[in-house]
Amino acid sequence: GESVGLHLPTLSVQEGDNSIINCAYSNSASDYFIWYKQESGKGPQFIIDIRSNMDKRQGQRVTVLLNKTVKHLSLQIAATQPGDSAVYFCAENVARGAGGTSYGKLTFGQGTILTVHP
Amino acid sequence: DAGVIQSPRHEVTEMGQEVTLRCKPISGHNSLFWYRQTMMRGLELLIYFNNNVPIDDSGMPEDRFSAKMPNASFSTLKIQPSEPRDSAVYFCASSQQGASQPQHFGDGTRLSIL
Repeated sequence: GESVGLHLPTLSVQEGDNSIINCAYSNSASDYFIWYKQESGKGPQFIIDIRSNMDKRQGQRVTVLLNKTVKHLSLQIAATQPGDSAVYFCAENVARGAGGTSYGKLTFGQGTILTVHP
Repeated sequence: DAGVIQSPRHEVTEMGQEVTLRCKPISGHNSLFWYRQTMMRGLELLIYFNNNVPIDDSGMPEDRFSAKMPNASFSTLKIQPSEPRDSAVYFCASSQQGASQPQHFGDGTRLSIL
């Protein structure tokens, strides 16, 4: 029978191009956001994070942008390389829940498949 | 530095058998999370602990699933009896306590129930 599963957004780029991966989050109370990279056969790997008091943060070849007005998060990868091919997840956290703390519980997006062609 | 260590990496067993997955969090981390990942549902949080105490197990699918954290350096996720629909990749993650701390994941256990 036909398999049914999550239909992840995909992004295909050429090596050397810049990539932009987008994420819409749902909880306006979220105040901490993380991007993860997951390669085949491995666990999600932390890339970069940003707190809600910032709208931009840069790492090595990566930049995260946060637009709280429209609840949108993006990950920019400069000079994309074949090794960047993976599934990318955004995650959000509410640092202070009703009980005073969320203990770091994250809510994950469904992911975006990035394919980099040599 | 050692990351989160999970064992076994792969497990194949027949339905009805007991399965035990193991996790060693990063030293100094006091929050530990168990996730399940499938093509159908993506990444699902099953349960998480803080300072070895279960905080929220609302993601545990059924009573067949149980998790323990007897000390700060070890946790288990047990399925008894296992069923084919439990087949998935199970991840463990840990983080430092406090607001705005990233979780760090192990490489998972790929579980196949025949």
